[in-house]
Amino acid sequence: DAKTTQPNSMESNEEEPVHLPCNHSTISGTDYIHWYRQLPSQGPEYVIHGLTSNVNNRMASLAIAEDRKSSTLILHRATLRDAAVYYCILSDVHNQGGKLIFGQGTELSVKP
Amino acid sequence: EAQVTQNPRYLITVTGKKLTVTCSQNMNHEYMSWYRQDPGLGLRQIYYSMNVEVTDKGDVPEGYKVSRKEKRNFPLILESPSPNQTSLYFCASSLSSGSSYNEQFFGPGTRLTVL
Repeated sequence: DAKTTQPNSMESNEEEPVHLPCNHSTISGTDYIHWYRQLPSQGPEYVIHGLTSNVNNRMASLAIAEDRKSSTLILHRATLRDAAVYYCILSDVHNQGGKLIFGQGTELSVKP
Repeated sequence: EAQVTQNPRYLITVTGKKLTVTCSQNMNHEYMSWYRQDPGLGLRQIYYSMNVEVTDKGDVPEGYKVSRKEKRNFPLILESPSPNQTSLYFCASSLSSGSSYNEQFFGPGTRLTVL
């Protein structure tokens, strides 16, 4: 599975937008880009995923570079509840094991 | 409410005493898996199951067993726990295993300490 690179930590102010970057220069044509987050003392939680086009859902937006070598998770208005570790994960569409390979992620802190 | 439940949430045990961590989902999901989370190592898959009576090893299966006799349950069994199995364990499920497209739902975690 291709690897991803994320900053170890980021800081944001409450009610401001947050852009969480992820580099995946070795992504293959059949890799989906997934984002999960893990709030303190909880299990990981799905945020969003995409393949080529930008995606929006009620939680966030995913902006995927044209060459697919990077992506950005956008939280439009950060709240204190968004403080978590955010994981950018690549997974081949044909991945039979369903395995998600979690790296170290980006720890997002949100200041009031 | 759609959810994945795990029991117990916390467990302290001693080396060699068999234990089972239960996992149950109420979403009629085909696919279930177990992960362990350790500092500096992230989450690593232990075992997974694509459907009833179908299980396979993940990346770190040594010292663990699983079974999938019913669709909703996927227990993790440690026949003879050792201190290096002290970890935070997560169960996950998704609708099907045919594609990594599917969102995975995670349980709340079980913190296991083996003395």
